[in-house]
Amino acid sequence: GAGVSQSPRYKVAKRGQDVALRCDPISGHVSLFWYQQALGQGPEFLTYFQNEAQLDKSGLPSDRFFAERPEGSVSTLKIQRTQQEDSAVYLCASSALQRGTDTQYFGPGTRLTVL
Amino acid sequence: AQKITQTQPGMFVQEKEAVTLDCTYDTSDQSYGLFWYKQPSSGEMIFLIYQGSYDEQNATEGRYSLNFQKARKSANLVISASQLGDSAMYFCAMREGWVSNQGGKLIFGQGTELSVKP
Repeated sequence: GAGVSQSPRYKVAKRGQDVALRCDPISGHVSLFWYQQALGQGPEFLTYFQNEAQLDKSGLPSDRFFAERPEGSVSTLKIQRTQQEDSAVYLCASSALQRGTDTQYFGPGTRLTVL
Repeated sequence: AQKITQTQPGMFVQEKEAVTLDCTYDTSDQSYGLFWYKQPSSGEMIFLIYQGSYDEQNATEGRYSLNFQKARKSANLVISASQLGDSAMYFCAMREGWVSNQGGKLIFGQGTELSVKP
């Protein structure tokens, strides 16, 4: 079946602009995660959804970052008033189960460059 | 706090040989999961293998095996018969237990860049 998809794949924004990054998880997956990956680093957790509920947003770096998943499927990560330090790859992952050995499957990521 | 350490920033291996990528972890939890992901230059994170903390046998998936040494808190990835297509970044990650409101978020190491030489 289809994997996790993300759009756009690449986004260039001028400092101060708002951006919206989209994630389409694997159909039927309950859990959805957003991660931020800076250049040369491992991904870092941003936020977690269980269906439409955002249960953990402890990794969001500032109140300029906002995520939603209103119908429990597609999710959008929005960054307001982008700053240069927001430049990174934003990865979305989904998993089928709510516990146990469920594996997170990742999308190709959105590479955000803030000029 | 939980932590994953990958001490090899880069590794080289000759095609068709085996290679071991190191991973050590730190956790106070008794229940946790360990994952390895491959990230080619295209950027997508590809799941390779999983080991649960209570699994008594080392996990294997095709050419990938996980050398799990619980007492030493290490979870090294072994790739047998390396192929040119194995050249990529490899990340070790840990999920600490399972908490309903956290859904099993992953903590990643810094990664190891593997280059396979023909």
